[in-house]
Parts: sequence; structure tokens; C-alpha cells
Amino acid sequence: GEEVAQTPKHLVRGEGQKAKLYCAPIKGHSYVFWYQQVLKNEFKFLISFQNENVFDETGMPKERFSAKCLPNSPCSLEIQATKLEDSAVYFCASSQNYPGGNQPQHFGDGTRLSIL
Amino acid sequence: QQPVQSPQAVILREGEDAVINCSSSKALYSVHWYRQKHGEAPVFLMILLKGGEQKGHDKISASFNEKKQQSSLYLTASQLSYSGTYFCGTDYTGNQFYFGTGTSLTVIP
Repeated sequence: GEEVAQTPKHLVRGEGQKAKLYCAPIKGHSYVFWYQQVLKNEFKFLISFQNENVFDETGMPKERFSAKCLPNSPCSLEIQATKLEDSAVYFCASSQNYPGGNQPQHFGDGTRLSIL
Repeated sequence: QQPVQSPQAVILREGEDAVINCSSSKALYSVHWYRQKHGEAPVFLMILLKGGEQKGHDKISASFNEKKQQSSLYLTASQLSYSGTYFCGTDYTGNQFYFGTGTSLTVIP
């Protein structure tokens, strides 16, 4: 598609439950990025993929967060045993090439995750 | 490692100009600028790849001073539609993108 599609738009979970977010990148884009944005509005990098392969996962809280990008499927970000502090807007972005060069990141509309 | 932006917030009257700075403690390879309106996704504005490069789009332009490890975004004759939070972004290591701390810009009539 021509846009990054994120689903769902809103997700409400009780503390301790699992949350799964999806992202379909723009067709032809090789890189996918996940970011977490909390109240301060600052973006925290979580993980990036080059096609199906993890490119960088240094931002991921590894105990409870996991992510995948499988062929012919939307990418996913899963949070096990959610905590109140996981409440945030999660953005996915895709890039034709890596943004260290001359390619911009195109963002989806985000998924607002609320942990009660 | 996150680039630091200044000011944190600015309020302008329509028609006034503003400058937003993005400073890094490490060498910048390239600088991206994005604008995010409240409740929406960030939107790409421009990329500067080389030291000394300047770009413009409508009445928004930017410069990149590689030696000073700094980029500046210039908004001239601001319009109400310019309101939002502006983020710079850069890559230091070749595999992780860092967004700046953000600058909230509010344009009032």
C-alpha cells in the first residue's frame, strides 16, 4: 500500500494481559521501525527490521517485548504481562532504505495502548 | 546520545518568524526534520545530508552546520497550520535512528 497501516488504533488491556500491535509497511520499503511515545512526547526507539531480519533491537525491553516481521504478513509488536508504564502510543515507520542516508521515514497513525 | 532541541516550546503570532535548533554532542551524519500535530503521526519535512547544506520548502527551511554538530529549522511568516511539535532526527552509528527532544510550536492569530 501507499501508507503505513497500523492496527488497532486503540487497545485497552488490564495489567498483566498480553497486547499485540500490527504494522503493514509501505510496499517496497525494506526497513521497519517501532517507536514508543509517552506523555513527554519523546520518541523511544524500540527495534528495527530489514525485511524479516532484526536490524537493531537495542531499545527493546527484552523480558516482555518481542517483535516479528514475517514475509507476506504485517509486522507485529507483542508485549507480554503488560504494566501500567507500557501505556503509550506505539508508532511504526517504514523506509525505502535506511534513514541514515537520504530516505525519510513514513509513519503510521500509531496504536494508543492503555493499560488499566 | 539523543539530540537536544531548543527552545522546548515557543508561542508565535501569525506572521512571526521562529528558529528551532538541534544540537548533538556527537558528529551528525545527516539530519531529518519532522512535524507532529497533536494526536497525529509525524510528517517528514526534509533531510539534510551534507554540512553546509540548506533546504527550503514553502516558508520552512533548514541548515546543517556539520562542524558545530547542529542543524536549525527556520519558519518564516508563520501560519496557524505550522503549529505542532517539531523533531529533528539523526543517525550516529549506522543502525539506530535518534529523534531529538522536540520543540512545541504554537501559532496564535
